Amino acid sequence: QTGLTQPASVSGSPGQSITISCTGTSSDIGAYNYVSWYQQHPGKAPKLLIYDVSNRPSGVSNRFSGSKSGNAASLTISGLQAEDEADYYCTSYTYSSTLVVFGGGTKLTVL
Amino acid sequence: QVQLQESGPGLVKPSETVSLTCAVSGYSISSDYYWGWIRQPPGEGLEWIASIYHSGTSYYNPSLKSRVTISVDTSKNQFFLKLTSVTAADTAMYYCARGTAHRYSDYWGQGTQVIVSS
Repeated sequence: QTGLTQPASVSGSPGQSITISCTGTSSDIGAYNYVSWYQQHPGKAPKLLIYDVSNRPSGVSNRFSGSKSGNAASLTISGLQAEDEADYYCTSYTYSSTLVVFGGGTKLTVL
Repeated sequence: QVQLQESGPGLVKPSETVSLTCAVSGYSISSDYYWGWIRQPPGEGLEWIASIYHSGTSYYNPSLKSRVTISVDTSKNQFFLKLTSVTAADTAMYYCARGTAHRYSDYWGQGTQVIVSS
């Protein structure tokens, strides 16, 4: 199921900053501070980047940051590097029986 | 270091049942956390399937609930997924993961591919 809306693709040059948006509803992102973000390189498992809107797990670069406003969340990557080229997924806890909703994913291209 | 490793049959025929295992090392699943399954069809996004709490309470994606069973064997430190009446739409990479409630998953396995084909 794809409950959250993300742009299909974004791009940026090395050193630049980019932001990936994730739009939900008042039943998920708007209701809880339980937004998380994952990075997935081709052929690899997703890796947790951000949890509970803006928290970084140990070992994740501080170039990655998250925020939320209303029913939307954002992931910002600063100082883009070639290895940041990957797919990025947002998720949120939801009030509905689905419990967990994912975004459709955003492909980041580093030019 | 927490590690998860999925295993499964790989190729399954339509209408059959697929059983997947997730072996956990570096942490006792009976201690805490939710343990779940997420899948990803080829070229598509992620879909949460089911989770089970260390106490045995289970949670299911309503769209799959009628065909899915999640279970745990704490003595083997493993948890399992059974998906019945599979179709081509169930072809996907299946990941197991450790979760904090249904807020996020911090450790993931490398995935096991399930292909449904006659």
